Amino acid sequence: AQSVAQPEDQVNVAEGNPLTVKCTYSVSGNPYLFWYVQYPNRGLQFLLKYITGDNLVKGSYGFEAEFNKSQTSFHLKKPSALVSDSALYFCAVSLSPASNTGKLIFGQGTTLQVKP
Amino acid sequence: GAVVSQHPSWVICKSGTSVKIECRSLDFQATTMFWYRQFPKQSLMLMATSNEGSKATYEQGVEKDKFLINHASLTLSTLTVTSAHPEDSSFYICSASGQGHSPLHFGNGTRLTVT
Repeated sequence: AQSVAQPEDQVNVAEGNPLTVKCTYSVSGNPYLFWYVQYPNRGLQFLLKYITGDNLVKGSYGFEAEFNKSQTSFHLKKPSALVSDSALYFCAVSLSPASNTGKLIFGQGTTLQVKP
Repeated sequence: GAVVSQHPSWVICKSGTSVKIECRSLDFQATTMFWYRQFPKQSLMLMATSNEGSKATYEQGVEKDKFLINHASLTLSTLTVTSAHPEDSSFYICSASGQGHSPLHFGNGTRLTVT
């Protein structure tokens, strides 16, 4: 069965410092991986996805993620955190690159707190 | 970019009444829409997959007679919570996708409170 794990409930960083939000996955086939961000009482906003190709994926708002097949990880990173990055972040996996035909399985979410 | 509109953003209803939540894709045709439920500080739980013109596919443990889904057009799916009870209080989020490798686009969610 597919599953996604985000081992940290919360990540705290100082503004201007690099941030990492961790994600590991377990799938039986080729994974298609996504990161979404959620602000309070709002839906999810798409940040980036890995389908195939370069392991380093660049996305919205300066975020990037690195696909590591051997470690089955897809950690989200940003070189310099902003206070406005504070939000709830979800990693998700699908067995289909076309997410309209494949269900997304979400991790439990990680709250990112960036302090000034 | 693609926009998904969800309405209402919040609703309070009395126990025993029914509530309808709408999910619209504003600038693309959504052959498939998904309905999720989210409890406070928890992840999204997929409730059902809504396919235009056909019956929804419900996840295990989700009562199809309680959570009625209709996807009558390529731009609109509705979720009706029938005979709502306080335990149905939650944050409901829809998502939609067009063709190809486009990512899911999410509505802003509906906060349902059943008193």
